[in-house]
Amino acid sequence: GQNIDQPTEMTATEGAIVQINCTYQTSGFNGLFWYQQHAGEAPTFLSYNVLDGLEEKGRFSSFLSRSKGYSYLLLKELQMKDSASYLCAVKGTDKLIFGTGTRLQVFP
Amino acid sequence: ETGVTQTPRHLVMGMTNKKSLKCEQHLGHNAMYWYKQSAKKPLELMFVYSLEERVENNSVPSRFSPECPNSSHLFLHLHTLQPEDSALYLCASSQGRAGVWNTQYFGPGTRLTVL
Repeated sequence: GQNIDQPTEMTATEGAIVQINCTYQTSGFNGLFWYQQHAGEAPTFLSYNVLDGLEEKGRFSSFLSRSKGYSYLLLKELQMKDSASYLCAVKGTDKLIFGTGTRLQVFP
Repeated sequence: ETGVTQTPRHLVMGMTNKKSLKCEQHLGHNAMYWYKQSAKKPLELMFVYSLEERVENNSVPSRFSPECPNSSHLFLHLHTLQPEDSALYLCASSQGRAGVWNTQYFGPGTRLTVL
């Protein structure tokens, strides 16, 4: 079957660095998305990886290893506003499959 | 307005009611999607429209009926729902053909409660 695993919840301190992992088993792979969703709001696009390696975008970076079926989202210099759910989604052969999301709480 | 908008933002309905959810995208996209988001579950894709043609229906019960009159508007008609249908219903749109699964832009969702 097709499966995406992410931790359910994580906590971190303001100013710290946090890494949110995503592992996947899908039929085919054509790319991986990360979305951010604040409570009661729309998911918003953060990053897209299709090749192995690290993509950096300001405080956020996303890494992909296709051979390991693994990605992570790295958030640096955490701010209170980064408290949100982070959704990993994999573009398979003919479907886009979402994980359950990781709820990140940032404390002062 | 910009982006993807959805109305209403909140809806409470009885099991015998009929209501409709509306989605409008102002991005010039060709593909539109309905998703259901329940607590502690992954986003569930319900319907996909590409250039106003339904291209995917993920075994959704017939009490949910989508309509796409043009590439900017998408509706989800609801009738005789069950309490387990209570969830956040998200609309999204993307550039290009639906099956390419380009980056999707989501609306804020309609929080539906079925009593």
